[in-house]
Amino acid sequence: GAVVSQHPSWVICKSGTSVKIECRSLDFQATTMFWYRQFPKQSLMLMATSNEGSKATYEQGVEKDKFLINHASLTLSTLTVTSAHPEDSSFYICSAREGWAAGELFFGEGSRLTVL
Amino acid sequence: AQKITQTQPGMFVQEKEAVTLDCTYDTSDQSYGLFWYKQPSSGEMIFLIYQGSYDEQNATEGRYSLNFQKARKSANLVISASQLGDSAMYFCAMRARGTGGGNKLTFGTGTQLKVEL
Repeated sequence: GAVVSQHPSWVICKSGTSVKIECRSLDFQATTMFWYRQFPKQSLMLMATSNEGSKATYEQGVEKDKFLINHASLTLSTLTVTSAHPEDSSFYICSAREGWAAGELFFGEGSRLTVL
Repeated sequence: AQKITQTQPGMFVQEKEAVTLDCTYDTSDQSYGLFWYKQPSSGEMIFLIYQGSYDEQNATEGRYSLNFQKARKSANLVISASQLGDSAMYFCAMRARGTGGGNKLTFGTGTQLKVEL
């Protein structure tokens, strides 16, 4: 089946630095990708919808200048956490749609960010 | 607005027994889809089963079945013959046009399932 890959799977950075997380669809083209955030033992919260070739659509309360999303190609979306702070530490997961069937929505393995 | 409610933060079940994980939802859309995902400690989201709002029969996938009661707006997951490998967090999710379409999902808070010997 189709695979969505995220990189890095975990990252530790210093407060004030920026971190980029990549989400790739390995064997299909994804015009739309989704970025979720998950705090420990909590649910997934949608941050933004990443649209290839256009600006991302952010959910209410998500700072677009803080979480920069770029969907430069049909197989790659990136999430950049700018000027990271400890409260940005979280598990970030992307998903991508191959088609409209339920089984055609695929999630990446997730990226665990720790900001010191 | 779409809402998914999972009222069981944690569940225990003995190996080989069946377990039901509860999920209720709220939406004003007539067309929607309900998903269940499994998230082991490693973090990846594993798709288990799907039920469309117009599907007349309950969905089944191997040991997983979805008890869909539309009037009650519930979509409970039933896992039969539990295995130790079923221990994980389970999320119920909904896709509806009110969420903006596409495959944007609204997730419940999850149920942590522990299978015991």
